[in-house]
Amino acid sequence: KNEVEQSPQNLTAQEGEFITINCSYSVGISALHWLQQHPGGGIVSLFMLSSGKKKHGRLIATINIQEKHSSLHITASHPRDSAVYICAVSPQGADGLTFGKGTHLIIQP
Amino acid sequence: DGGITQSPKYLFRKEGQNVTLSCEQNLNHDAMYWYRQDPGQGLRLIYYSQIVNDFQKGDIAEGYSVSREKKESFPLTVTSAQKNPTAFYLCASNWQSNTGELFFGEGSRLTVL
Repeated sequence: KNEVEQSPQNLTAQEGEFITINCSYSVGISALHWLQQHPGGGIVSLFMLSSGKKKHGRLIATINIQEKHSSLHITASHPRDSAVYICAVSPQGADGLTFGKGTHLIIQP
Repeated sequence: DGGITQSPKYLFRKEGQNVTLSCEQNLNHDAMYWYRQDPGQGLRLIYYSQIVNDFQKGDIAEGYSVSREKKESFPLTVTSAQKNPTAFYLCASNWQSNTGELFFGEGSRLTVL
């Protein structure tokens, strides 16, 4: 059974801090997604990656396929970054995604 | 602008009633999905469809039904057989199953009174 584990579950930091959220999974995958869910509930896709590293603004996502691990980094964090960040994987040979439980991030001014 | 529209955003129903949640997309995506989100849990797949007139059960399909008569539309019916229907429901789509960026609707929050 594919498991997706995120850490930490909850993270509170001060504005400007460098943030790291981790995601580990247990099976071979075709892609990994990082998603952002705001308090209203809507979800936005941040990254989809299958190898290496991607950067968009202050967000950086990395993946190590051999170690079955990915990280999401936020540089110069801001209160508007406060949200739930969700890791999801597309298992090889299967339909649909398997989701982690999410990391609840709060950035205080 | 292209996107996914879910309605209604909030819905209340009495026990024993069926309700249908709407999901419409104008992204020309083939694959569409319904997920359920409960507090403290990851999203769980209810049903998905890779093409018009075809759909497959996900991990928690019992008590739910769907149809895919048009590419743009993938409505979900929560039947009275669903034992614990109070939850947040999310619709999503992408080009093909398991490939491409996922796009999500804003969600529908169903409360059973």
